[in-house]
Amino acid sequence: AQSVTQPDIHITVSEGASLELRCNYSYGATPYLFWYVQSPGQGLQLLLKYFSGDTLVQGIKGFEAEFKRSQSSFNLRKPSVHWSDAAEYFCAVPISNFGNEKLTFGTGTRLTIIP
Amino acid sequence: DVKVTQSSRYLVKRTGEKVFLECVQDMDHENMFWYRQDPGLGLRLIYFSYDVKMKEKGDIPEGYSVSREKKERFSLILESASTNQTSMYLCASSRGVYNEQFFGPGTRLTVL
Repeated sequence: AQSVTQPDIHITVSEGASLELRCNYSYGATPYLFWYVQSPGQGLQLLLKYFSGDTLVQGIKGFEAEFKRSQSSFNLRKPSVHWSDAAEYFCAVPISNFGNEKLTFGTGTRLTIIP
Repeated sequence: DVKVTQSSRYLVKRTGEKVFLECVQDMDHENMFWYRQDPGLGLRLIYFSYDVKMKEKGDIPEGYSVSREKKERFSLILESASTNQTSMYLCASSRGVYNEQFFGPGTRLTVL
């Protein structure tokens, strides 16, 4: 089965600083990759997704992610964070290679923003 | 605008009670999911449904059952609630394969 690893449980950054959240995946073929954000007490919202093509993917709220096959990574970035970006972030990948409706999620990275 | 709604945001039940959590989506999606979310464990799939009356166990189905009588509605049932089922429950839906899932706001269930 495929899997994703988010090595950082908790990250703290200053408002206005740049951000990079790490995601490593295990996948047998060209992966489909997703980043979700969960604000406190809310459900998950899709930030961006990678299916194929350009390895740099733009998402909502000024986020982007870069797919690097050689490193099995799909890291999420933002050049300048805002206090409203404080949330939990999840990376996800389909659970297997073969036409699968199910996703497997990483354990999440909690982002704290300090003034 | 796509929408997944869950019947309750907060729920408090007693040990041994039968609990129903309901989820409704308005996107005509064939796939629906129930997850539970616990700190440090991420999202764990309880059950998945790919069509009306069709269901598949996820990673942690013990103590839960589901019902999908209509395409837009997917219910999670705790037959006899226990304190270790205190958690956040998230419903999601999607279309086809390899597609993103759309999530409801979640139900925070406390079992006393």
